[in-house]
Amino acid sequence: KQEVTQIPAALSVPEGENLVLNCSFTDSAIYNLQWFRQDPGKGLTSLLLIQSSQREQTSGRLNASLDKSSGRSTLYIAASQPGDSATYLCAVPKYNFNKFYFGSGTKLNVKP
Amino acid sequence: GAGVSQSPRYKVAKRGQDVALRCDPISGHVSLFWYQQALGQGPEFLTYFQNEAQLDKSGLPSDRFFAERPEGSVSTLKIQRTQQEDSAVYLCASSLTRTSGSRDEQYFGPGTRLTVT
Repeated sequence: KQEVTQIPAALSVPEGENLVLNCSFTDSAIYNLQWFRQDPGKGLTSLLLIQSSQREQTSGRLNASLDKSSGRSTLYIAASQPGDSATYLCAVPKYNFNKFYFGSGTKLNVKP
Repeated sequence: GAGVSQSPRYKVAKRGQDVALRCDPISGHVSLFWYQQALGQGPEFLTYFQNEAQLDKSGLPSDRFFAERPEGSVSTLKIQRTQQEDSAVYLCASSLTRTSGSRDEQYFGPGTRLTVT
């Protein structure tokens, strides 16, 4: 069974810092990996989806990388802002896309 | 267009009651997923539909949980004889297709927070 782990569980940084969130998975045979943001009491919002053939995907101040062979993905947030405060989750699909496995998330707090 | 909607947003049930949670996916989306999210945890997969077919229900925690999507659009998750351990947020997600290697993103609803007292 695929296990997805996210480190750290929580992170508090001052505004303006660049930061890295980590996601690791045990089965490297994945088709893609998706990063989500979840605000308190809300559903998940998709941030980035990286295909297995890609190594990086960028959207604005966000950059996600994928290293399948080592079972890792990182989400880089540049010049963090208080509005970035949320929980960030990563997810990978089962081979037949019938199921997705999520990490437990990193709760980010960006202090003004 | 409209996103994924879920109702009710909040549900309080007494232990032993039956509940029904509704999910309206994005129109035309083939795939529909239900997840259970405990406080401070990531979503845990419950079940998957491709159109009206329930292709995977391996995540349903007990036979008290039942899901359906009879016409391939709206889905209902039913929990019979609710227990306190059923208290969680229930999330629904839909995606357009189910093809490997695709850019097929999941779109999530806001969730239903179920509290069993």
